[in-house]
Amino acid sequence: GAVVSQHPSWVICKSGTSVKIECRSLDFQATTMFWYRQFPKQSLMLMATSNEGSKATYEQGVEKDKFLINHASLTLSTLTVTSAHPEDSSFYICSAPRAGRETQYFGPGTRLLVL
Amino acid sequence: AQTVTQSQPEMSVQEAETVTLSCTYDTSESDYYLFWYKQPPSRQMILVIRQEAYKQQNATENRFSVNFQKAAKSFSLKISDSQLGDAAMYFCAYRSFMEYGNKLVFGAGTILRVKS
Repeated sequence: GAVVSQHPSWVICKSGTSVKIECRSLDFQATTMFWYRQFPKQSLMLMATSNEGSKATYEQGVEKDKFLINHASLTLSTLTVTSAHPEDSSFYICSAPRAGRETQYFGPGTRLLVL
Repeated sequence: AQTVTQSQPEMSVQEAETVTLSCTYDTSESDYYLFWYKQPPSRQMILVIRQEAYKQQNATENRFSVNFQKAAKSFSLKISDSQLGDAAMYFCAYRSFMEYGNKLVFGAGTILRVKS
């Protein structure tokens, strides 16, 4: 089956630093990837749609300059949390739809803790 | 815009029993996909079952089946012979039919507890 990986799975950083999270589709190409944020026992909140070769589309209320998204290739999208603060601590998940399939495949998620 | 509503924040079921999780949605589209995803404590999202709106037959995957009522915009998930490994948060999700790159719209989720 289709596999999506995320790296790192866990990251702890100091307030004010930037953190980069990678999302890779391992066995298929993905022109589109999605980035979600999830708080404990809550639903997934779509942050942005990452598009290969063009700018990401951000959901209303998501700061573009805070959450930088780059879709560098057909198998890699990155989310950079710039100048992270404790309120950015959360669980970040990416997903990728596979062409010809109706299903989205999810990465295992990245836990971010900002001290 | 489409919305998905899961009205049961938490549900409990005895091992080997059957439980039904509710989901309703609102859309003006006639063609779309509906999904149930499972998120266990590992937090990896796992696809449980998928339903195409143009298909009248309810989808079934082993112990998991859905009751899809298109006119009522209802999409419930039935888990038969519940197992301890079914304990997880379950999300109902909607996706437009138009293209594969369309985003999913998720419900708030239902926490399912399985008692031994």
